[in-house]
Amino acid sequence: GQNIDQPTEMTATEGAIVQINCTYQTSGFNGLFWYQQHAGEAPTFLSYNVLDGLEEKGRFSSFLSRSKGYSYLLLKELQMKDSASYLCAVRDGDYKLSFGAGTTVTVRA
Amino acid sequence: IAGITQAPTSQILAAGRRMTLRCTQDMRHNAMYWYRQDLGLGLRLIHYSNTAGTTGKGEVPDGYSVSRANTDDFPLTLASAVPSQTSVYFCASSDEASGGVDEQFFGPGTRLTVL
Repeated sequence: GQNIDQPTEMTATEGAIVQINCTYQTSGFNGLFWYQQHAGEAPTFLSYNVLDGLEEKGRFSSFLSRSKGYSYLLLKELQMKDSASYLCAVRDGDYKLSFGAGTTVTVRA
Repeated sequence: IAGITQAPTSQILAAGRRMTLRCTQDMRHNAMYWYRQDLGLGLRLIHYSNTAGTTGKGEVPDGYSVSRANTDDFPLTLASAVPSQTSVYFCASSDEASGGVDEQFFGPGTRLTVL
């Protein structure tokens, strides 16, 4: 099984940077995903890491260290629309996703 | 239809009643999943199907059953609903044969309340 930990809540100011950490313990590893979920909506795919290092996608970047069981999602130039929950998910050897409880990010003007 | 649809959007159900949540995708994805999402617990996998005709149990399968008669549809049935099954239910699908990222795509969800 998987044990995935991420902070419950974070607050930041519009235009700032926020880093959401995720640690995991896994019995098999086949990639790490970050999803964004606005209140009352479905999760949507943000990023994927399977090798160590940084993946950059516009204002969002995701980092993975497999040896440390650690990932982070970096949100730059925060906008009000970035207020949402961010879900860290690990895919195991059977190709099944296990999700963390999610981090609610609130962006303040 | 574009993507994944779920029905109903929301439902209030008396305990002991039978209920089927519907899920349909038009992306021809081979794999489909059912999750429940509860406050503070995140998404938990109930059942999954790797391809039409096969199903498997996830983390929290008790009280639920699924079938996968064809590629597009993956209904979730609660045989006799109990209040602890009050949750938001998400259906998802992915193309596990693509050789790429194979991310899961989620439906809009069904909010179920069991009284």
